[in-house]
Amino acid sequence: SNVLTQPPSVSVAPGKTARITCGGDNIGTESVHWYQQKPGQSPVLVIHYDGDRPSGIPERFSGFKSGKTATLAISSVEAGDEADYYCQVWDSNGDHPFVFGTGTRLSVL
Amino acid sequence: EVQLLESGGALVQPGGSLKLSCAVSGFAFNTYAMDWIRQAPGKGLEWVSGISASGGNTYYADSVRDRFTISRDNSKNTLFLEISNLRVDDTAVYYCVRPSGDYVKFDFWGQGALVTVSS
Repeated sequence: SNVLTQPPSVSVAPGKTARITCGGDNIGTESVHWYQQKPGQSPVLVIHYDGDRPSGIPERFSGFKSGKTATLAISSVEAGDEADYYCQVWDSNGDHPFVFGTGTRLSVL
Repeated sequence: EVQLLESGGALVQPGGSLKLSCAVSGFAFNTYAMDWIRQAPGKGLEWVSGISASGGNTYYADSVRDRFTISRDNSKNTLFLEISNLRVDDTAVYYCVRPSGDYVKFDFWGQGALVTVSS
């Protein structure tokens, strides 16, 4: 089955740009979606279809992909961005139609 | 405003059963597929089960097939997940989620229902 690999943790200073990667064989052929999960809360969709922002998501959040790697970028990072981030693709050929990445904890220094 | 409100989470002994409910409002429930996603304590997200808008098609992760049953009552705007033969590794927060119309991502999430399996 498809596996999406993310770094366990990323640290960034306030005001800088955080970049979180997601690697997998299906990245090149399927749209990638990103979720933010703050402690004790439900996940929230922050990027869909590789790089589009849902309504209400700040422009500081962006996404792109190249080859088998997708990247979530958060510019001008704020303390409130500290959260777990998950990538996700729809896997038409796998046992599970939805595959999530392993998750990345973003820490703001 | 879309709202998904889960209920039914509980502490259950191994081998027991449980039925989760999700009351939905703010959109035409009978026109969307619905799903359940779970998250074990301190772990990542795992898709568990899905059901088509009419209820005629259901889908399960291999890890829960034969023990979980997803269903819906479109007349009551309610989604269900019945879990039998519970195992310790079923302990998780179970989220009711509404996927996108093209069924490739999850646009709305409930607050979650905690299921704890322990003796």
